[in-house]
Amino acid sequence: GAVVSQHPSWVICKSGTSVKIECRSLDFQATTMFWYRQFPKQSLMLMATSNEGSKATYEQGVEKDKFLINHASLTLSTLTVTSAHPEDSSFYICSASVSSGSNEQYFGPGTRLTVT
Amino acid sequence: LAKTTQPISMDSYEGQEVNITCSHNNIATNDYITWYQQFPSQGPRFIIQGYKTKVTNEVASLFIPADRKSSTLSLPRVSLSDTAVYYCLVGDRPKTGRRALTFGSGTRLQVQP
Repeated sequence: GAVVSQHPSWVICKSGTSVKIECRSLDFQATTMFWYRQFPKQSLMLMATSNEGSKATYEQGVEKDKFLINHASLTLSTLTVTSAHPEDSSFYICSASVSSGSNEQYFGPGTRLTVT
Repeated sequence: LAKTTQPISMDSYEGQEVNITCSHNNIATNDYITWYQQFPSQGPRFIIQGYKTKVTNEVASLFIPADRKSSTLSLPRVSLSDTAVYYCLVGDRPKTGRRALTFGSGTRLQVQP
């Protein structure tokens, strides 16, 4: 099956610094990837849609200047959390779809971000 | 996308069959029903998808009545490793697969020995 990886799996950073999270589709090309955020005991919340070769589409309430998304190739999307604060501590998950007739999406293993 | 309602939590014992029901009263004609499983600190994993009647795979069965306003995920003979959160999602099935998924609250299943 299609595999999506994320790197790093966990990261601890100091308040005010920036952190980059990578999402890769390992055995398929993904023109569109999605970034979700999940707080403890809560459901996944869509942050943005990452489109290869164009600007990302952000959900309402998500600051595009704080959460920078780059989708420079068909297998890689990156999310950079700029000037991180403790409230940005969360579980960040990406997903990608195989371009078939299914709405099945493949999710990465997630990245645990802790901002101290 | 149609809103879904699921029980917040369920408890079961090893070896039992578990049925998780999801309500989606506003499901549209083109909508499919998809279930995902999520373990702690992992990304969700696709379990099963269906449109009507019954769908079965090696992991679970999905029962969808004729009016499609609800669906039931059936897990046969659960084990401790089935302890997870199960999400029911409803949405159309675009050809390009470029539609983001809207997750509801999910059902937290706890399997006891």
